[in-house]
Amino acid sequence: GNSVTQMEGPVTLSEEAFLTINCTYTATGYPSLFWYVQYPGEGLQLLLKATKADDKGSNKGFEATYRKETTSFHLEKGSVQVSDSAVYFCALSVNTPLVFGKGTRLSVIA
Amino acid sequence: SAVISQKPSRDICQRGTSLTIQCQVDSQVTMMFWYRQQPGQSLTLIATANQGSEATYESGFVIDKFPISRPNLTFSTLTVSNMSPEDSSIYLCSVAVGLEGETQYFGPGTRLLVL
Repeated sequence: GNSVTQMEGPVTLSEEAFLTINCTYTATGYPSLFWYVQYPGEGLQLLLKATKADDKGSNKGFEATYRKETTSFHLEKGSVQVSDSAVYFCALSVNTPLVFGKGTRLSVIA
Repeated sequence: SAVISQKPSRDICQRGTSLTIQCQVDSQVTMMFWYRQQPGQSLTLIATANQGSEATYESGFVIDKFPISRPNLTFSTLTVSNMSPEDSSIYLCSVAVGLEGETQYFGPGTRLLVL
């Protein structure tokens, strides 16, 4: 079946630190890959996506590259801010609906 | 993209009662979904809401507990019936857009606490 594995949290970083949240997947077929973000007390927002191998999704300084050879879609940001504190979900879709990872809570301290 | 609204945004209910959650989308969409997010957990798909026919439920979810209506392409309701404290969760509506429905957008969620 289809599944997503992402690194356990919580992750605590200082402001301006480099962020990596690892995500790997297992899928039958050719999935689209997504990162969603959930800020405290809010719903899910689509952060970025990639629909084919070697595509790079980017938004708000976050990036992730679809690596078919390693079945990975790691999320990176060069310099995090306090406002990036949230829960990040990696997800995949093969003919919908989405399959989610367990989420990684990020806390950024000033 | 799609703009999705849900009502109510939150509620506190007594066990044994039922709550109906509404989901409204700003455009016509074919695929609409309902998810549950239990405290501190990831999202679990409850069902796919099909327009004009019965919803398709995932394993572990049944129509008697979570009846769903989808009267048109912009609206759906989810009812949580005969609630117990274990039903305390965030319930999220989602729609799939794009040529192949490959991208999902989510509503703000309904935060339910059952006492």
